[in-house]
Amino acid sequence: AQRVTQPEKLLSVFKGAPVELKCNYSYSGSPELFWYVQYSRQRLQLLLRHISRESIKGFTADLNKGETSFHLKKPFAQEEDSAMYYCALLTGANNLFFGTGTRLTVIP
Amino acid sequence: DGGITQSPKYLFRKEGQNVTLSCEQNLNHDAMYWYRQDPGQGLRLIYYSQIVNDFQKGDIAEGYSVSREKKESFPLTVTSAQKNPTAFYLCASSMGSLETQYFGPGTRLLVL
Repeated sequence: AQRVTQPEKLLSVFKGAPVELKCNYSYSGSPELFWYVQYSRQRLQLLLRHISRESIKGFTADLNKGETSFHLKKPFAQEEDSAMYYCALLTGANNLFFGTGTRLTVIP
Repeated sequence: DGGITQSPKYLFRKEGQNVTLSCEQNLNHDAMYWYRQDPGQGLRLIYYSQIVNDFQKGDIAEGYSVSREKKESFPLTVTSAQKNPTAFYLCASSMGSLETQYFGPGTRLLVL
């Protein structure tokens, strides 16, 4: 069965420090993975998807099929990065499975 | 902001009552989705529709119903059969079934 695991509910880092939000998945097919973000009082929005191989707002995420991971990274955290982050897996059956989310707080 | 809207922002339901949550999009997207979010849990798929007049059950469809009579609208009815309706409901849409989903602002449903 497919599953998305975000082991950290809460993550706090100091401004300027590196940040890594962990995401592991379980899926027998070819995974398509996303990171969604929700800033305070804003709607859930796409941050990046692995097939784009982009860097958005300084964030990157690499799909590691061997470790079944899709961790989100940024070398230098900013205060405006404080938000709720969700990792999501899209299956061939058109289902988007979400992790339980990680709340990132960047301490000034 | 805009593109996909949900109303109302807050909705109260009495015991035994059916309530309908609205979701409208002007993005010309074919696919639309309803998710439920509970504290400490990720979003769970209730129903989705890939095209007008067609919809499929998601993981937690029991106690819910939907319709897709128009491309831009995908209302969700929470029926009295849903025993634990208190949650935050999110609607989303995408160009196609494998495309990026765009989310509405959500509706919080509370039971009186």
